[in-house]
Amino acid sequence: EAGVVQSPRYKIIEKKQPVAFWCNPISGHNTLYWYLQNLGQGPELLIRYENEEAVDDSQLPKDRFSAERLKGVDSTLKIQPAELGDSAVYLCASSLRGAPTDTQYFGPGTRLTVL
Amino acid sequence: GQQLNQSPQSMFIQEGEDVSMNCTSSSIFNTWLWYKQDPGEGPVLLIALYKAGELTSNGRLTAQFGITRKDSFLNISASIPSDVGIYFCAGTPSYNTDKLIFGTGTRLQVFP
Repeated sequence: EAGVVQSPRYKIIEKKQPVAFWCNPISGHNTLYWYLQNLGQGPELLIRYENEEAVDDSQLPKDRFSAERLKGVDSTLKIQPAELGDSAVYLCASSLRGAPTDTQYFGPGTRLTVL
Repeated sequence: GQQLNQSPQSMFIQEGEDVSMNCTSSSIFNTWLWYKQDPGEGPVLLIALYKAGELTSNGRLTAQFGITRKDSFLNISASIPSDVGIYFCAGTPSYNTDKLIFGTGTRLQVFP
């Protein structure tokens, strides 16, 4: 069974440019998460989807970040415009339903460098 | 955002030694999880704990859910080179059981 797929794996952009990350969760997983992982720290949740609905986006900086999961499968996270402080790894994870006891499976992440 | 406190921050040990690390919080947690992250990869779940006092093993790994529900411990016995990586604790706080909060990580280096 394929795991969570993310692309691109690496992205280097100049500040003020837009950037988008794509995630394909494990087949059949209803819940999808986007996490931000700064260097030397643990992942921090940006947004959680139950099917198409964003059920927790309280930590998403909405002035520049947006996300969508139009058909309840793939998801895209966008930053516009990017700032130097956005340099980090962006992880996508999925779980079967989103209950606390459901295992979250993580993708390899997209490493973003903003110059 | 909130992060759990993990210690030690890093460990350098020799192959065959046992390892202990812990994770603490100022809040009560309902679940405790331990993940391992290899370079360039996402975290992978090692052990999940759901009850205060629970002790669970996965091969050479053993984790415990602290009695106070504010801490958890992970032990690795007879370490081997492939144990190298960053170990993260994570948990769901009692005040928001929909949220998974991660620790700051313990970096483990094993020398042959």
